[in-house]
Amino acid sequence: DFQLTQSPSFLSASVGDRVTITCRASQDISSYLAWYQQKPGKAPQLLIYAASTLQSGVPSRFSGSGSGTEFTLTISSLQPEDFATYYCQQLNSYPFGGGTKVDIK
Amino acid sequence: QVQLVESGGGVVQPGRSLRLSCAASGFTFNNFALHWVRQAPGKGLEWLAFLPYDEIYKYYADSVKGRFTISRDTSKNTLYLQMNSLRAEDSAVYYCARAPADMYAFDVWGRGTMVTVSS
Repeated sequence: DFQLTQSPSFLSASVGDRVTITCRASQDISSYLAWYQQKPGKAPQLLIYAASTLQSGVPSRFSGSGSGTEFTLTISSLQPEDFATYYCQQLNSYPFGGGTKVDIK
Repeated sequence: QVQLVESGGGVVQPGRSLRLSCAASGFTFNNFALHWVRQAPGKGLEWLAFLPYDEIYKYYADSVKGRFTISRDTSKNTLYLQMNSLRAEDSAVYYCARAPADMYAFDVWGRGTMVTVSS
């Protein structure tokens, strides 16, 4: 069974911090990975697709990297509006990772 | 304005059926694959069903296979999710989402509709 494992599940950070979230796939998925941000009570919003391509309108402090089985989402300097939950998703069979909640330290 | 708007949610008893709708506007409906995703209260996202633009096949998550059916009416620019034999664990916010063929991601989401399965 295919697994997509996100870590950490929760992280506490301060404004200005560099934040990295990892997503590991149980088998090679090439670059078929996307990252989403979700705020409470809202629908998810696409941040990154094809592992590293920034969606139009998304701030450049967000970046994605990786291929194969290991992927990362990096926020270079955390802003107040970035406190949210982040999900990765594999785009062959569409499962989501378990999510990473980024909270204020 | 590109938009997806879900409707049809509500409270339903276990074992009953419900049909959700997702009305699309601002884009050529037929040119996109469409998906349903749900999120139980306080939980993560769960992908449910996929309908490609050419509707040659449909894919479902194991958790809903045989109970849920995805379909679309192109004359109404509307996506549907027919949900049968509902269970308490199907209680969630249900989202529809658009997937451009060249992007491999869900680039537009609706705001969701809440389904509660309870006696």
